[in-house]
Amino acid sequence: DVKVTQSSRYLVKRTGEKVFLECVQDMDHENMFWYRQDPGLGLRLIYFSYDVKMKEKGDIPEGYSVSREKKERFSLILESASTNQTSMYLCASIFRSRAGETQYFGPGTRLLVL
Amino acid sequence: AQKVTQAQTEISVVEKEDVTLDCVYETRDTTYYLFWYKQPPSGELVFLIRRNSFDEQNEISGRYSWNFQKSTSSFNFTITASQVVDSAVYFCALSRYSTLTFGKGTMLLVSP
Repeated sequence: DVKVTQSSRYLVKRTGEKVFLECVQDMDHENMFWYRQDPGLGLRLIYFSYDVKMKEKGDIPEGYSVSREKKERFSLILESASTNQTSMYLCASIFRSRAGETQYFGPGTRLLVL
Repeated sequence: AQKVTQAQTEISVVEKEDVTLDCVYETRDTTYYLFWYKQPPSGELVFLIRRNSFDEQNEISGRYSWNFQKSTSSFNFTITASQVVDSAVYFCALSRYSTLTFGKGTMLLVSP
């Protein structure tokens, strides 16, 4: 069974705080992704990583950074949280088979920045 | 550029009705994958199906079926005899080099 976990389901932070969102998969997946989901905008890709210490910007990287020190863990960092970063954050990793690739998602973190 | 359009923002049906969710995509790639995901109120995205661009066979899985038509760039999803548990937001997505482009989702409300 493909299992992606995220450190928190709900998080409340104050403007200016540094925020860490953690994502873990124990299936030795190479590719991992961070998305944010907002009403009316769907899912938008923030950052992704192809391997340890590698990262690529997605469509909306501004205001975020990431860290991939170990293969199983991909962290999203909000250096100085702002109210417009209140959102649902979803992490995913890729499962590869002979039939192709599929992204499997974690349960999501609902972040409220006050 | 890749684009996925789900024109239906919200659909409401009564239990046991059939319902079709539309998905139209744009891509210049000749090889690509299409996906459908379900997001129930709990928030987690659940993978439903992946379709390779070379495989235009329709697929049926229980009450779910998918109609892929390359000629019209569409990948529609039909739920037969809908149930209250089908209430969710459904996303269509298109892949390119392992990244996904999502549509904005269709919220399906099935009432008893």
